[in-house]
Amino acid sequence: NAGVTQTPKFRVLKTGQSMTLLCAQDMNHEYMYWYRQDPGMGLRLIHYSVGEGTTAKGEVPDGYNVSRLKKQNFLLGLESAAPSQTSVYFCASRLAPVTGELFFGEGSRLTVL
Amino acid sequence: QQQVKQSPQSLIVQKGGISIINCAYENTAFDYFPWYQQFPGKGPALLIAIRPDVSEKKEGRFTISFNKSAKQFSLHIMDSQPGDSATYFCAAIWSGGYQKVTFGTGTKLQVIP
Repeated sequence: NAGVTQTPKFRVLKTGQSMTLLCAQDMNHEYMYWYRQDPGMGLRLIHYSVGEGTTAKGEVPDGYNVSRLKKQNFLLGLESAAPSQTSVYFCASRLAPVTGELFFGEGSRLTVL
Repeated sequence: QQQVKQSPQSLIVQKGGISIINCAYENTAFDYFPWYQQFPGKGPALLIAIRPDVSEKKEGRFTISFNKSAKQFSLHIMDSQPGDSATYFCAAIWSGGYQKVTFGTGTKLQVIP
């Protein structure tokens, strides 16, 4: 069972470069999320989606864009990377109900030089 | 604005001891409180969860205690084992807030032999 798959797992960028992180889930979940994890800051929500074709801003959306063209995929884009975006990024998905478990990918470590 | 405050940031416990992690929330609309466990290099995974109409929930060695009036909840790990060494995140969900999951800042637990 694949669950939630993130690609790439590691990436090094130079300031100003762009890139896209791909999240794919095979559980037919409606809700998908992108978080960033930084030491001492916990998991902070960047953007989320409540269904195919919908996206919404989380706590720290600046500098990021997202798209959910297909239900199983949720893309996170950095148009012009900055060193402050160096972080570990986690994608997660869950069924619609409140008590639905969040299933996380294994993370994507991004370094911006 | 940190809506879920978690303490301590790190914790060292001897094998067989009790590990206690505390969380406090501000938004009384939160109606579901899960705890996630994260091992190095992995994404967080659901450990145990509780609704505010229950004061305690126990699953094996893990217990959540919930104090609705104080807006606090805590995770107790009884008979802590080295395999419990991980980072623990408390979280809170408001079903009316597009089911965004708000995480605490995390507690790094180390259980020493």
